[in-house]
Amino acid sequence: GQNIDQPTEMTATEGAIVQINCTYQTSGFNGLFWYQQHAGEAPTFLSYNVLDGLEEKGRFSSFLSRSKGYSYLLLKELQMKDSASYLCAVRDGNYQLIWGAGTKLIIKP
Amino acid sequence: ETGVTQTPRHLVMGMTNKKSLKCEQHLGHNAMYWYKQSAKKPLELMFVYNFKEQTENNSVPSRFSPECPNSSHLFLHLHTLQPEDSALYLCASSQDTGGANVLTFGAGSRLTVL
Repeated sequence: GQNIDQPTEMTATEGAIVQINCTYQTSGFNGLFWYQQHAGEAPTFLSYNVLDGLEEKGRFSSFLSRSKGYSYLLLKELQMKDSASYLCAVRDGNYQLIWGAGTKLIIKP
Repeated sequence: ETGVTQTPRHLVMGMTNKKSLKCEQHLGHNAMYWYKQSAKKPLELMFVYNFKEQTENNSVPSRFSPECPNSSHLFLHLHTLQPEDSALYLCASSQDTGGANVLTFGAGSRLTVL
């Protein structure tokens, strides 16, 4: 079967750096997405990777290794507003989106 | 309004009630989706409409009935639900259904079935 694994919960300190990992086993690959979801709000798009390497967007970066079935989301200079759930999703060979259960990130002062 | 709007935001219903969830998008997108989100579980895709045609029904029980009258509106009709159907129901839209298309989500309708 198809599967996305990411840690259930992580804690980090304001101003620090945190890396959220995502590993996947899917039938084919057509891109990987990261979304952010604050409690009670809509998931919002953060990044998309389809080729190996690092994509940087301000304080957030996303990395992909297709050969390892692995991605991470790197958040720098953490702010309290970064407390949220981070969802990893892979578009498989049939262009279906397979979702992870999300990682709840808690930022402490 | 812009983005994806869902109403109602909260809904409590008994198992014998009939209610509907509404979703509206003003993004000019052609694809619309219903997802179920339960605590600590991955998003579950329920239905997909592309150009008003239903393209996916992921073995969803018949007590959930979707309707897409046009490319801007999507409904989820609910009847004789079970307590395990209590969840957050998310609507999303995208330009179409392939490749790098990014989903834009609504804030969800929190459903509680008593």
